[in-house]
Amino acid sequence: KAGVTQTPRYLIKTRGQQVTLSCSPISGHRSVSWYQQTPGQGLQFLFEYFSETQRNKGNFPGRFSGRQFSNSRSEMNVSTLELGDSALYLCASSLRLAGRGEQFFGPGTRLTVL
Amino acid sequence: QQQVKQSPQSLIVQKGGISIINCAYENTAFDYFPWYQQFPGKGPALLIAIRPDVSEKKEGRFTISFNKSAKQFSLHIMDSQPGDSATYFCAASMSRDNYGQNFVFGPGTRLSVLP
Repeated sequence: KAGVTQTPRYLIKTRGQQVTLSCSPISGHRSVSWYQQTPGQGLQFLFEYFSETQRNKGNFPGRFSGRQFSNSRSEMNVSTLELGDSALYLCASSLRLAGRGEQFFGPGTRLTVL
Repeated sequence: QQQVKQSPQSLIVQKGGISIINCAYENTAFDYFPWYQQFPGKGPALLIAIRPDVSEKKEGRFTISFNKSAKQFSLHIMDSQPGDSATYFCAASMSRDNYGQNFVFGPGTRLSVLP
């Protein structure tokens, strides 16, 4: 079974631009969660989508948004990029809601904001 | 209450030694405690997990010890190998859907196993 895939793997943007990241979960998984990983803040939860509905949300500004499609693929969008948004963005998929069992992570998208 | 504390921040162990990483949580609603291993340039990979109805779980060289009353859990890596050198994250999650953050990670421990 194929693992979680994320595209693109690397991205360079400038301040003020917006970016869209994509995540394809493991086949059959209905939950997709997004995390931001930085050396200073560690792994921080952004949001979780389950069956196309946002079920949980972390403490990030409204510039961070996401959505999930009927095939469970998910996209995350960051508008008006700031230098502090430079990070590794990870998505994780799970069969059920993330809190109820195993999450499987993708390799991440490395976003650099200049 | 959502925080998970993890120590030490970094750990150096000789090959063949035992690596021990500790975590503590506050929220008693947490009911699933996984450990993740992350190598540079990769996403975290699930290593082993435990639920609070057991005090210990062992898988190969990896053991989780869980102390529900103290709200602490730890990862023991027996016979540590250079290939175990990675960053380890503990996490805590709750199956109750509270429409907030229900999956919390510790800050991570960077393990180096010397040959």
